[in-house]
Amino acid sequence: DAGVTQSPTHLIKTRGQQVTLRCSPKSGHDTVSWYQQALGQGPQFIFQYYEEEERQRGNFPDRFSGHQFPNYSSELNVNALLLGDSALSLCASSFRQLPYEQYFGPGTRLTVT
Amino acid sequence: KQEVTQIPAALSVPEGENLVLNCSFTDSAIYNLQWFRQDPGKGLTSLLLIQSSQREQTSGRLNASLDKSSGRSTLYIAASQPGDSATYLCAVYGNNRLAFGKGNQVVVIP
Repeated sequence: DAGVTQSPTHLIKTRGQQVTLRCSPKSGHDTVSWYQQALGQGPQFIFQYYEEEERQRGNFPDRFSGHQFPNYSSELNVNALLLGDSALSLCASSFRQLPYEQYFGPGTRLTVT
Repeated sequence: KQEVTQIPAALSVPEGENLVLNCSFTDSAIYNLQWFRQDPGKGLTSLLLIQSSQREQTSGRLNASLDKSSGRSTLYIAASQPGDSATYLCAVYGNNRLAFGKGNQVVVIP
């Protein structure tokens, strides 16, 4: 049973560019959440997708957007990249029912130069 | 807004000692609390999940307790080993999201 997978593993972009990151949830899971982790910090919640709709959003600007597909996989898009967007982007999946246990992927390391 | 605090930020212990990691949170309206392990540059590995109605969970050398009313959790790692060296993150789930602390960076000295 494959766990949560993310692609790509690493990515280097230039300030002002746009990036798309991908996530496939653990088999059977229907809910996907995205987090951003800066160096030395805990992950910060970006948003959660369920039934192809954004259900909850954290304190991130509109430059961050997402999508969930019918097969429950998800994308995170970031426009107009800033140097401060350099971070580890983490995807988590879960069932949308108790106990809401979250399973994380290996992350995508994004570097903005 | 949920605030999660982990103390101490970093600690070193000799191999064989027991580890005690503390976590506190401000809003008791949570569904569960999870402890994660993170190795440098890697994703998060779930260690234990305690549902809000539970007081503790155990897995091998790991034991975690939850006192929801006081907003506290403690992770105990018995007989620490060098392979336990990592960052340990505490997170509480509520309002469709996990709120994380900054982590306890642990080094176990052989």
